[in-house]
Amino acid sequence: AQRVTQPEKLLSVFKGAPVELKCNYSYSGSPELFWYVQYSRQRLQLLLRHISRESIKGFTADLNKGETSFHLKKPFAQEEDSAMYYCALTSGGSNYKLTFGKGTLLTVNP
Amino acid sequence: GAGVSQSPSNKVTEKGKDVELRCDPISGHTALYWYRQRLGQGLEFLIYFQGNSAPDKSGLPSDRFSAERTGESVSTLTIQRTQQEDSAVYLCASSLRLAGVEQYFGPGTRLTVT
Repeated sequence: AQRVTQPEKLLSVFKGAPVELKCNYSYSGSPELFWYVQYSRQRLQLLLRHISRESIKGFTADLNKGETSFHLKKPFAQEEDSAMYYCALTSGGSNYKLTFGKGTLLTVNP
Repeated sequence: GAGVSQSPSNKVTEKGKDVELRCDPISGHTALYWYRQRLGQGLEFLIYFQGNSAPDKSGLPSDRFSAERTGESVSTLTIQRTQQEDSAVYLCASSLRLAGVEQYFGPGTRLTVT
């Protein structure tokens, strides 16, 4: 069975500080990993995916198959980064259903 | 263009009643997903549609839950004889089958069973 674990329910940092949101997964095959974000009063939206290897809004995430992790990082947090962040994986194939972690609420303080 | 829409945005119902939740996906999106998010939990997959058919219903928690889709458009999720544990936010998402795996989410329906 596939599983996504986000160990921190809450994370609070100051503006300008580095931030890392942790995500670990368990899956026997080769999963595709994603980070979704939900800002206050907005709908859930894709932030980034590991296959794109891109940086979105200053965030990056590297898939570490040895540690089965996909941590989300940003070197200098901004107040507008405050949101709920969900790590998710899919097994791919023809389905693409997502398995989500429980989410981490990031608060960036001024 | 218009995103995924869901209705109603909020629904309060009495235990034992049936409810119908509606999802309008983005036009042209052939894949449609239903998820549920209970308080303090992550999103749980319920069911997936490809066109009219539902090749994966593995997440439906009981036979009180059912869903259908008309053409490659509107989907309804029906919960019969609602129970208090059905209280959750029900999210719908759609995606293009051939254009990658990004799912576009609707705003959700918050269901409260009293």
